[in-house]
Amino acid sequence: SQQGEEDPQALSIQEGENATMNCSYKTSINNLQWYRQNSGRGLVHLILIRSNEREKHSGRLRVTLDTSKKSSSLLITASRAADTASYFCATDESAGGTSYGKLTFGQGTILTVHP
Amino acid sequence: ETGVTQSPTHLIKTRGQQVTLRCSSQSGHNTVSWYQQALGQGPQFIFQYYREEENGRGNFPPRFSGLQFPNYSSELNVNALELDDSALYLCASSLQSSPGELFFGEGSRLTVL
Repeated sequence: SQQGEEDPQALSIQEGENATMNCSYKTSINNLQWYRQNSGRGLVHLILIRSNEREKHSGRLRVTLDTSKKSSSLLITASRAADTASYFCATDESAGGTSYGKLTFGQGTILTVHP
Repeated sequence: ETGVTQSPTHLIKTRGQQVTLRCSSQSGHNTVSWYQQALGQGPQFIFQYYREEENGRGNFPPRFSGLQFPNYSSELNVNALELDDSALYLCASSLQSSPGELFFGEGSRLTVL
């Protein structure tokens, strides 16, 4: 089953603009992760935010987590054509603070950045 | 590049046949998870192997089975293939003691005719 629901399903922007993707989920989580996938290839881990964290940064990426609303957002600043890909949120529902790699993915947001 | 390798990259089978997909995990990783990704969908968890034993399973029938070997490499076997089994099969390795991040291979794209 897909726990994470992502919004929008597709996003088209110009190079240099910011891209914001949102993710909602249904159950309690240990952490939430964002992954990127180029053209149906393997997924690449971008960032992980734990349930007790509210915001995290990594380079041009900023992730927020609101556990009261069961939602997260991924912001990519100053986007580049090379950022064109599908982006997935994934929730880890493992209990006890230890993750076991069983993730529930959303359906993804297709981001297109035009040069 | 994650260091996780999968084979074959593409294959075509007919309904009713059996398929074996292989995965070599990243050096030092003791846990392997398998995911199925249908076209236009997010990956769905099939199962995970740790210390050569199944350590959790998603909503997949028993005709999906797996193995993990002492070197932590893994196989996914699917019997009695159905048309809906057509998908990208992704293997991911991780450390059982490390919180969460998965390292994915490039996947095996299976087409069932």
